[in-house]
Amino acid sequence: GESVGLHLPTLSVQEGDNSIINCAYSNSASDYFIWYKQESGKGPQFIIDIRSNMDKRQGQRVTVLLNKTVKHLSLQIAATQPGDSAVYFCAENKEYGNKLVFGAGTILRVKS
Amino acid sequence: DTGVSQDPRHKITKRGQNVTFRCDPISEHNRLYWYRQTLGQGPEFLTYFQNEAQLEKSRLLSDRFSAERPKGSFSTLEIQRTEQGDSAMYLCASSRGTGAYEQYFGPGTRLTVT
Repeated sequence: GESVGLHLPTLSVQEGDNSIINCAYSNSASDYFIWYKQESGKGPQFIIDIRSNMDKRQGQRVTVLLNKTVKHLSLQIAATQPGDSAVYFCAENKEYGNKLVFGAGTILRVKS
Repeated sequence: DTGVSQDPRHKITKRGQNVTFRCDPISEHNRLYWYRQTLGQGPEFLTYFQNEAQLEKSRLLSDRFSAERPKGSFSTLEIQRTEQGDSAMYLCASSRGTGAYEQYFGPGTRLTVT
């Protein structure tokens, strides 16, 4: 069946360092992927997305890489800040406007 | 605030009672989604609407759950005869639905069934 999973449940980084959060997906039919950030007590916040016809997409301090060969997705956060501390989810979609399938999440802790 | 809003933010109820949650999507968005999230897990899809039409329901949505979007704007999610296993965060999201994938989430309603 469909599944999206994360390699690391918790990631601790020093403030100012770069962070890399990984995600594996199993549905090769998925054509759209999103990263969300969720702070305690809040709903998921859209960070960045990528479509399957791309390998890389950059935003402000964030980059998403997609490797369709090994069905792997990663989120890179540059110069990690304390405000980046949250749970990060990757999600996939195989038909636009349809449901998202989420992974379990990675906790990012930024040490000052 | 022009984002997705949900009401109430918190609900505590006794087992067996009925509860209803409301979601107001971003105004120009015609797709509306409901998800459920338990502690330490990612959100799980429940159902979604295109305007007032309910297009898909997850098998997670038992017959005790019903969702409506009567005028294609706000939506309600009702849970009848609540059980302790219904305790979760109920999230609503919306998207433009036309050539757009991004779903924007509300703050959620946290349900505790005692």
